[in-house]
Amino acid sequence: EMQLVESGGDLVQPGGSLRLSCAASGFTFSNYWMHWVRQAPGKGLVWVSHINSDGATTNYPDYVKGRFTISRDNAKNTLYLQMNSLRAEDTAVYYCAREPGGSDALDIWGQGTMVTVSS
Amino acid sequence: DIQMTQSPSSLSASIGDTVTMTCRASQAIGSYVNWYQQKPGKAPRFLIYATFNLQSGVPSRFSGSGSGTDFTLTISSLQPEDFATYYCQQSYNTPVTFGGGTKVEIK
Repeated sequence: EMQLVESGGDLVQPGGSLRLSCAASGFTFSNYWMHWVRQAPGKGLVWVSHINSDGATTNYPDYVKGRFTISRDNAKNTLYLQMNSLRAEDTAVYYCAREPGGSDALDIWGQGTMVTVSS
Repeated sequence: DIQMTQSPSSLSASIGDTVTMTCRASQAIGSYVNWYQQKPGKAPRFLIYATFNLQSGVPSRFSGSGSGTDFTLTISSLQPEDFATYYCQQSYNTPVTFGGGTKVEIK
């Protein structure tokens, strides 16, 4: 079964840091681009970042650029999101998702991990 | 960034109804629209890619259409498991953007 499992979500103070992980199984992780998408409580889906299959290319929207870093370890079948300088507005469930074939469509999603930024 | 606007934001329907929801892009995006279903407390589920192509395992009562800036998702013969929120997403360029969602509720 193809699966993504996120971990690392927690309660963190404003200005703090957190690293999320996404463990992949059931498919050849190194063949796929991967994404992070977040969803604030009661709100819609918002794209956070993507990374290409070998980790050489990454992209971010302006609202996380310079604060968040996406990376991957293909030997460990794991995707990461390093989040620094966290703000209250970063509070959300963070999902990792797989992109098939350079399409920017997201066909497999993890169950999500909750990040709460609050003092 | 390309804005995706979904309408209506919510709708009420009965089992067996046909429902249609729309997604409008702020600029032409060809056929680069995907659709997702999300139930409360769950991850999104991939339904349709490139406007009208059903993902494997998605029932044929789901269909998509459109091009350019205007796109629709139609659910024929609504089933109990279809009550959920539906999101469109443009994959024409980066940043990927999603619509605000259409919540399908039981009448």
